Amino acid sequence: DAGVTQSPTHLIKTRGQQVTLRCSPKSGHDTVSWYQQALGQGPQFIFQYYEEEERQRGNFPDRFSGHQFPNYSSELNVNALLLGDSALYLCASSLGQGSMGYNEQFFGPGTRLTVL
Amino acid sequence: QKEVEQNSGPLSVPEGAIASLNCTYSDRGSQSFFWYRQYSGKSPELIMFIYSNGDKEDGRFTAQLNKASQYVSLLIRDSQPSDSATYLCAVRGGTDKLIFGTGTRLQVFP
Repeated sequence: DAGVTQSPTHLIKTRGQQVTLRCSPKSGHDTVSWYQQALGQGPQFIFQYYEEEERQRGNFPDRFSGHQFPNYSSELNVNALLLGDSALYLCASSLGQGSMGYNEQFFGPGTRLTVL
Repeated sequence: QKEVEQNSGPLSVPEGAIASLNCTYSDRGSQSFFWYRQYSGKSPELIMFIYSNGDKEDGRFTAQLNKASQYVSLLIRDSQPSDSATYLCAVRGGTDKLIFGTGTRLQVFP
């Protein structure tokens, strides 16, 4: 049973550039959430996708956008990169609304983004 | 006031001892509570979740929840050096969004 996968593992960009990160959820999961984790901090919620729509969003600017595909995989796009966007970007998958359980979220290995 | 608070540590315990990790939260409407373990440079790994008052045990781990005091804890019995990691407390309210604390770093020394 494949867990959550993310690509790429590491990425180096310069200020002003754009980046796309990718995530494939755990088999059987239909909901993808994205988090940003700065060094020494807990993960911060960016947004969540369910049924190909953004269901809720955290306190992140519009430079952060996303997409979910029919196969439940997801992308996170960040435009006009700032130095402060350097962080570990985590994707978590879960079962969406109407499912049994407490929506435990399982994280992928993350993408380490460095903005120079 | 932060929504989820944890002592950043480090919490140092000898091998074989009980490690006690604590977390408080501000939203009384929070419904479920999660403990994640994160090794340095790795992603968070779900250890346990709890949603009703009282204790929940899984192997060497026990989660404790007191909603009246807005307090959740994680006990690790017979601590091992391999338990050395950062432990993240996460809280979920009426939506699926998880709100994390900053984590407590645990060090288990031989």
